[in-house]
Amino acid sequence: DTGVSQNPRHKITKRGQNVTFRCDPISEHNRLYWYRQTLGQGPEFLTYFQNEAQLEKSRLLSDRFSAERPKGSFSTLEIQRTEQGDSAMYLCASSLTGTRHTGELFFGEGSRLTVL
Amino acid sequence: AQSVTQLDSHVSVSEGTPVLLRCNYSSSYSPSLFWYVQHPNKGLQLLLKYTSAATLVKGINGFEAEFKKSETSFHLTKPSAHMSDAAEYFCVVSDPNDYKLSFGAGTTVTVRA
Repeated sequence: DTGVSQNPRHKITKRGQNVTFRCDPISEHNRLYWYRQTLGQGPEFLTYFQNEAQLEKSRLLSDRFSAERPKGSFSTLEIQRTEQGDSAMYLCASSLTGTRHTGELFFGEGSRLTVL
Repeated sequence: AQSVTQLDSHVSVSEGTPVLLRCNYSSSYSPSLFWYVQHPNKGLQLLLKYTSAATLVKGINGFEAEFKKSETSFHLTKPSAHMSDAAEYFCVVSDPNDYKLSFGAGTTVTVRA
């Protein structure tokens, strides 16, 4: 399968613990995105990478959140000192650059976080 | 800022009847608009896109959408619903810099046999 892969698919943690999600994009895609989706809402943009450079972070991404994309390949999203409000589905997507590919994101199946 | 509003949170149709999902947009630029579909336990998938070319856009699985600037709308239609169309549908607008998507709240489609 050459789609976007996310791990783990589900994570249950206690408040105050740290969690890390991993995303493996489609190999030739140089853009990688993280979105968050809560129940009954559409996905919300969190951050975006062009190769290894993180080019924008949403205000939704507090100081407890950090994302990396070393070597421009896979990416990790870490949440420190989790809070119950962090419970959500975390979506990763990748795409090619260029106006021809505008908006053509390929999404993974998501990592669902439940904070108790 | 750009945004989209999906006018129906839930649409229920009978198999074989037309489907209409309504979306209005707000944009200070000439927008790029999209429809994505999310089946249960599956990743979001692009259905179709409008990027200032033809105003009637055809997508996968028989869906199409029409961009109407005068009405600031981008409604999604399908002539005949199939059971496999049951899913969550999102209307989406793209940032002018082309990397950030803003999603609507979604419309859940159920198809009755």
